[in-house]
Amino acid sequence: KAGVTQTPRYLIKTRGQQVTLSCSPISGHRSVSWYQQTPGQGLQFLFEYFSETQRNKGNFPGRFSGRQFSNSRSEMNVSTLELGDSALYLCASSLPGTRTKNEQFFGPGTRLTVL
Amino acid sequence: GDSVTQMEGPVTLSEEACLTINCTYTATGYPSLFWYVQYPGEGLQLLLKATKADDKGSNKGFEATYRKETTSFHLEKGSVQVSDSAVYFCALRAGGYQKVTFGTGTKLQVIP
Repeated sequence: KAGVTQTPRYLIKTRGQQVTLSCSPISGHRSVSWYQQTPGQGLQFLFEYFSETQRNKGNFPGRFSGRQFSNSRSEMNVSTLELGDSALYLCASSLPGTRTKNEQFFGPGTRLTVL
Repeated sequence: GDSVTQMEGPVTLSEEACLTINCTYTATGYPSLFWYVQYPGEGLQLLLKATKADDKGSNKGFEATYRKETTSFHLEKGSVQVSDSAVYFCALRAGGYQKVTFGTGTKLQVIP
């Protein structure tokens, strides 16, 4: 079974631009979550999508948004990029259901550098 | 809110030494607890988990026991190898959603 895939793996943008990151979950997984990883703040939860609906959201400004498609693939978008948005963005997928079944599987991440 | 506190790194050990990485948590209800490992340049891999009090998670020689009375989930291994060098994250998930709260990570370096 293929794992979680994220594209692109690396991205360089300049301040003020916008960026879209993509995540394809494991086949059959319908929940997708996004995390930001930085040296200063560690791993922080961005949002979770299930059945094309955002179920939960972390404490990030409105410049960070996401969506999920009917095939469970998800995208996140960051508008008006700032230097502090430079980070590794991780996507995780899981099956919905009882707590003992919904282990999260992480992708390799997209490394975003904002210049 | 939910939080996870884990010992600061980096931790440097000689091969075959014993490892303990401390982790304590604050959460409402009865969270599930996890240890994730991140190798250089890679995403996170689930190392082990425990979903209720007194459960012991184990994998690849690593163990951790869910201690509700001390709100702890310390990671242990009896004999580390060079290949165990990585960053280890303690984490919890509470409630019915998928949001995982992570600790700051502990970098482990094992030298031959």
